[in-house]
Amino acid sequence: GAGVSQSPRYKVTKRGQDVTLRCDPISSHATLYWYQQALGQGPEFLTYFNYEAQPDKSGLPSDRFSAERPEGSISTLTIQRTEQRDSAMYRCASSLRTGANTGELFFGEGSRLTVL
Amino acid sequence: AQSVTQLGSHVSVSEGALVLLRCNYSSSVPPYLFWYVQYPNQGLQLLLKYTSAATLVKGINGFEAEFKKSETSFHLTKPSAHMSDAAEYFCAVSETGANSKLTFGKGITLSVRP
Repeated sequence: GAGVSQSPRYKVTKRGQDVTLRCDPISSHATLYWYQQALGQGPEFLTYFNYEAQPDKSGLPSDRFSAERPEGSISTLTIQRTEQRDSAMYRCASSLRTGANTGELFFGEGSRLTVL
Repeated sequence: AQSVTQLGSHVSVSEGALVLLRCNYSSSVPPYLFWYVQYPNQGLQLLLKYTSAATLVKGINGFEAEFKKSETSFHLTKPSAHMSDAAEYFCAVSETGANSKLTFGKGITLSVRP
C-alpha cells in the first residue's frame, strides 16, 4: 500500500483475553518493526522482521507476546492473556531495508490497546 | 547500549519565537541520530537525521539540528515558530553498523501560542 496501515485503530479488551494487532507495511519495504508506546513515553522496540525472518525479539516483554510475518509482508502482533500493564499504543513501522541504517522508518497511525 | 534523554515534557513558545528542543544521547559507538515528529492522530514522521556527514543537518519545515560530539547533544531548532509546529517531537538514536533499530527519548510536546 501507499502507507503503513494498522488495524484495529482502537481495541478495548478484558484482562485475560488474547488480542491480535495487524500491520500492513509499505509494499516495497523489506523491514518491519513493532514498537510499544506507553502513555507519556517514547516508543520502545519490541521486535523486527527482514521479510519473514525475525532476527531480533529482544524487546518482547514476555512470552505472552509474539509476532509473525509469514509471507514477508503483513505482520501480526499477538498478546495472549492480556494484562492491564499491556495497555499502550502499539506502533508498526517499515523501512526499505536494514543494515543500511538509514533510520527512516515509516510509521503507521498505531493501534491503541486498552485492557480493562 | 544506547539511550536518549529529552529533559522536560512540554515546551511552550510564542508564534515567531525561537524553538529549541534539547536532546542528549549516549552510545558506545558512533551514533546515528534522528528527530521524529508526531502530529495529532498521525504516525511519527522523520524530521531530520544525522548519519556522520555534515554536523549541521537541515530537515523539513525549517527545522535543523546540530550534532555536537563533545556535548553528546543533538538539539533541534527552528528560528521562528509557526502554529502548525505544535506537535510531539521525539529524538532517537541508533548505532552505526547495526540494524535500524531506534531507541527513542520520551518526547517533548511543543505548544505554540498565538
